[in-house]
Amino acid sequence: GAVVSQHPSRVICKSGTSVKIECRSLDFQATTMFWYRQFPKQSLMLMATSNEGSKATYEQGVEKDKFLINHASLTLSTLTVTSAHPEDSSFYICSARAGSYEQYFGPGTRLTVT
Amino acid sequence: GENVGLHLPTLSVQEGDNSIINCAYSNSASDYFIWYKQESGKGPQFIIDIRSNMDKRQGQRVTVLLNKTVKHLSLQIAATQPGDSAVYFCAEGGSGNQGGKLIFGQGTELSVKP
Repeated sequence: GAVVSQHPSRVICKSGTSVKIECRSLDFQATTMFWYRQFPKQSLMLMATSNEGSKATYEQGVEKDKFLINHASLTLSTLTVTSAHPEDSSFYICSARAGSYEQYFGPGTRLTVT
Repeated sequence: GENVGLHLPTLSVQEGDNSIINCAYSNSASDYFIWYKQESGKGPQFIIDIRSNMDKRQGQRVTVLLNKTVKHLSLQIAATQPGDSAVYFCAEGGSGNQGGKLIFGQGTELSVKP
């Protein structure tokens, strides 16, 4: 149990375009999902906390107008990178919280902006 | 910030030896600690967790030790195997962090030599 999926696993987009990444909890309901980004050889950096039915809470330094988060249902959260630029190229990972503390991670999405 | 762009420390061990990976955490109010394993290009996988009311917890081939006095966490892997090669992250969470967020350590890259 506690499987989290992400789609797509890899995406290449042109600079200036937008790209949407989906995060789904497949066998449980998640009132809270988290979005991270990870650069090569670095740790996971929390970008935002996504609560079902309410606005996401962004970490300091993360532009909410650039990284749009929607958590429309208990099993789906989406991250849209708007007007992507090469510096947005990164590994984006979501997690879903099942209980008080447990977080289950998705397999990640590799975004490359050309 | 919690995540600094440092190069990952590495640990190289011989197959069959025991591995010890260390982590210093930052928030004395954290009451939940987790170790994750991350293979290249994948999301983090849960290994083992421990609550602050414990100082040791054992799983299959893994043991986590918690020293709250010095805010130190360690992961011991017995009889390390080539399949254990990955990056290992500790994470802290709980009542000291808003919304059940996890704060990740910088990670350690474990390399197992056959």
